[in-house]
Amino acid sequence: EAGVVQSPRYKIIEKKQPVAFWCNPISGHNTLYWYLQNLGQGPELLIRYENEEAVDDSQLPKDRFSAERLKGVDSTLKIQPAELGDSAVYLCASSLGTGRTEAFFGQGTRLTVV
Amino acid sequence: AQSVTQLDSQVPVFEEAPVELRCNYSSSVSVYLFWYVQYPNQGLQLLLKYLSGSTLVKGINGFEAEFNKSQTSFHLRKPSVHISDTAEYFCAVRQTGANNLFFGTGTRLTVIP
Repeated sequence: EAGVVQSPRYKIIEKKQPVAFWCNPISGHNTLYWYLQNLGQGPELLIRYENEEAVDDSQLPKDRFSAERLKGVDSTLKIQPAELGDSAVYLCASSLGTGRTEAFFGQGTRLTVV
Repeated sequence: AQSVTQLDSQVPVFEEAPVELRCNYSSSVSVYLFWYVQYPNQGLQLLLKYLSGSTLVKGINGFEAEFNKSQTSFHLRKPSVHISDTAEYFCAVRQTGANNLFFGTGTRLTVIP
């Protein structure tokens, strides 16, 4: 069974440019998460989807960040425009959607804004 | 709201020595607890989880953790570490009945030959 797939693995962009990250969760997983991981820190939740509905986006900086999960399967996270402080690893995870099950993580996208 | 505290940011230990990585949580309701490991340039991989039942849980790679409700702790242990255990370890908590997973700041375990 394939795990959570993210692309690209690495991205370098200039500040003020847009960038997008893609995530394909494990088949059948209703819950999808996007996490931000700064260097030397633990992951911090940006947004959580239950199927196609964003049920928790309280930590998503909505002035520049947006996300979508059309048809409740794969998801895209976008930043426009990117700032230097957005340099981090963006992790996608999925789970079956019940509290007892663990979240499975993708390998992440390392974003560098120059 | 839940929070997780990992008291040690870095833990160096010699190969074949025992190790304990500490994790404390705060929550007003019952929780599920998880330990994840992250190798360089990789995503997070589940080591073990506590959902209910026995307070001592065993995971992959010889790791185990003990849930202590009175001390609100979930420390990770391994009796004898290997070089390959060098990685970042994250403790995480999820409120029962909820789906958000909250992480600690991580502990970097370095195994010294």
